[in-house]
Amino acid sequence: DTGVSQNPRHKITKRGQNVTFRCDPISEHNRLYWYRQTLGQGPEFLTYFQNEAQLEKSRLLSDRFSAERPKGSFSTLEIQRTEQGDSAMYLCASSLGYDEKLFFGSGTQLSVL
Amino acid sequence: GESVGLHLPTLSVQEGDNSIINCAYSNSASDYFIWYKQESGKGPQFIIDIRSNMDKRQGQRVTVLLNKTVKHLSLQIAATQPGDSAVYFCAEIIGPQSGGSNYKLTFGKGTLLTVNP
Repeated sequence: DTGVSQNPRHKITKRGQNVTFRCDPISEHNRLYWYRQTLGQGPEFLTYFQNEAQLEKSRLLSDRFSAERPKGSFSTLEIQRTEQGDSAMYLCASSLGYDEKLFFGSGTQLSVL
Repeated sequence: GESVGLHLPTLSVQEGDNSIINCAYSNSASDYFIWYKQESGKGPQFIIDIRSNMDKRQGQRVTVLLNKTVKHLSLQIAATQPGDSAVYFCAEIIGPQSGGSNYKLTFGKGTLLTVNP
């Protein structure tokens, strides 16, 4: 257990529905990252926060995706109008500083039917 | 495109043997490298890291070697055990001072290590 908690572990939804995932990072970590991973591939960067500020978003993050970290602690990732191509493992990670190692949670496996 | 890649997608070893997993990177400005282990259904687990001003770093049963001349990174696992079976990723960070974007971690595709009893 790395100390990064993600919920839910699994989510099955129908195409067109909205889903929201939650990440609780290690408490003293001020950086929080979201990655997406499909089968057989390495994790791909989506976005990251420094405290409550969202500092960078990947071009992979379409307008249907939104992430928040309102109080600089936990974060949520929402996908609106899900598509089958959104099916993936969504990973959250946190780090203590800007060039420190990332600790990952166990991920949320999303299946869009 | 990805700047971090792996030479072999799969590696099969006998229990007790040493394993070597290789990784090539293309950006000479990469500052920091991390090896992660990922077991099925779990998130990546930190194994060991090395910064660009080092050539070698050792941990418990693991050693990372960095050859900046040929832009090559390797992970050596001593006395490989069945519990070492997993996908191993190398990841790199390029800092802003080297043209990177805010210390974003970039992963390669991974090598599947299978340890045979």
